[in-house]
Amino acid sequence: GAGVSQSPRYKVAKRGQDVALRCDPISGHVSLFWYQQALGQGPEFLTYFQNEAQLDKSGLPSDRFFAERPEGSVSTLKIQRTQQEDSAVYLCASSKGLAGAAEQFFGPGTRLTVL
Amino acid sequence: GQNIDQPTEMTATEGAIVQINCTYQTSGFNGLFWYQQHAGEAPTFLSYNVLDGLEEKGRFSSFLSRSKGYSYLLLKELQMKDSASYLCAWLGGDTDKLIFGTGTRLQVFP
Repeated sequence: GAGVSQSPRYKVAKRGQDVALRCDPISGHVSLFWYQQALGQGPEFLTYFQNEAQLDKSGLPSDRFFAERPEGSVSTLKIQRTQQEDSAVYLCASSKGLAGAAEQFFGPGTRLTVL
Repeated sequence: GQNIDQPTEMTATEGAIVQINCTYQTSGFNGLFWYQQHAGEAPTFLSYNVLDGLEEKGRFSSFLSRSKGYSYLLLKELQMKDSASYLCAWLGGDTDKLIFGTGTRLQVFP
């Protein structure tokens, strides 16, 4: 596809349930980022991959959050034992660059609602 | 640490000019981005500044002063479709992660 795609677009989970959010970056993009965006706020960085290597996971809010990109393409963000405060839009972005300022292209996001 | 400030909301009239300011206090600097985000949609890239001065791109311009930790986005000839949130983001560190402000929600009225 032409852009970054994410699935599902919407996810409702019961508190305590595990969820997995998928991101398909633009083909050939080396860098992949996950952000969390609460209502009315700007996106907040969660984690960053360069190919399959997770170079920065400093933004993950707790050890319930886990991300992987095993083959350097598709990435999955997993949240275990979801809590109400996890409700947010989870954005994935990819860029061509290895380092330096490369434009990040965002996917449409997954809106997660935890009941 | 990093701190990025921008106004929460602004309103303007169709055809007018509006300037959205962004100030930042950060350790290190690798560039300043502006993104537009319509409600329920992904942020889309508008501009990138790394050197001081004004970058013009059609109706949109972005300015940066590194010494003052200040940027603005200038929107000319406003259209109704410009109603959106405008996100200021600082490029930091060596991992290319963007640190976003809270966004400025702009409403354009006829």
